[in-house]
Amino acid sequence: QKEVEQDPGPLSVPEGAIVSLNCTYSNSAFQYFMWYRQYSRKGPELLMYTYSSGNKEDGRFTAQVDKSSKYISLFIRDSQPSDSATYLCAMSANFGNEKLTFGTGTRLTIIP
Amino acid sequence: NAGVTQTPKFRVLKTGQSMTLLCAQDMNHEYMYWYRQDPGMGLRLIHYSVGEGTTAKGEVPDGYNVSRLKKQNFLLGLESAAPSQTSVYFCATRGVLFYMNTEAFFGQGTRLTVV
Repeated sequence: QKEVEQDPGPLSVPEGAIVSLNCTYSNSAFQYFMWYRQYSRKGPELLMYTYSSGNKEDGRFTAQVDKSSKYISLFIRDSQPSDSATYLCAMSANFGNEKLTFGTGTRLTIIP
Repeated sequence: NAGVTQTPKFRVLKTGQSMTLLCAQDMNHEYMYWYRQDPGMGLRLIHYSVGEGTTAKGEVPDGYNVSRLKKQNFLLGLESAAPSQTSVYFCATRGVLFYMNTEAFFGQGTRLTVV
């Protein structure tokens, strides 16, 4: 079993819809949670970064972490065609732990 | 990301040839990583480094070697390329700030094809 599980999709939604992307994990030591967006033929770029549990909002994006369920989510409101990309979750444990573990990524397409 | 530069961007190798991929960063980050990305497999860690002069194996290290002689550079070498090493390679860096791990920053990738 992988430490981080992510549905690869693909996921297609109409423009303006709310998108929900999720990852589950098994390592209870994970403290840092990230969401990366990767456009085709580009490197991943950081979208959201959360430490420990709770919610974080940035414009149309909201990241949620539920450590009790080992479940993290990324919500995209008022989705736009420019949001079409692959979204990867990433996690790491306490300070001093250098490894970053990624999900496989979910490919998202927003249909105009 | 302007702070992490990978060289080259594209390369085609014949089986058995060798090559070195260079990752250069100007963010003064301690940690550097090499990943490969294949369809359906996500990002898989090849090797990483926690500081100048140190390297460690990731989850798929076979067939690769690395060196970090200077803090800003991390080299990935393929001694004898195989078709199974056809992939997109990403370098990433990560800093350590006030006892908190920070996010990783990625280069633009190197597309390698081994024929």
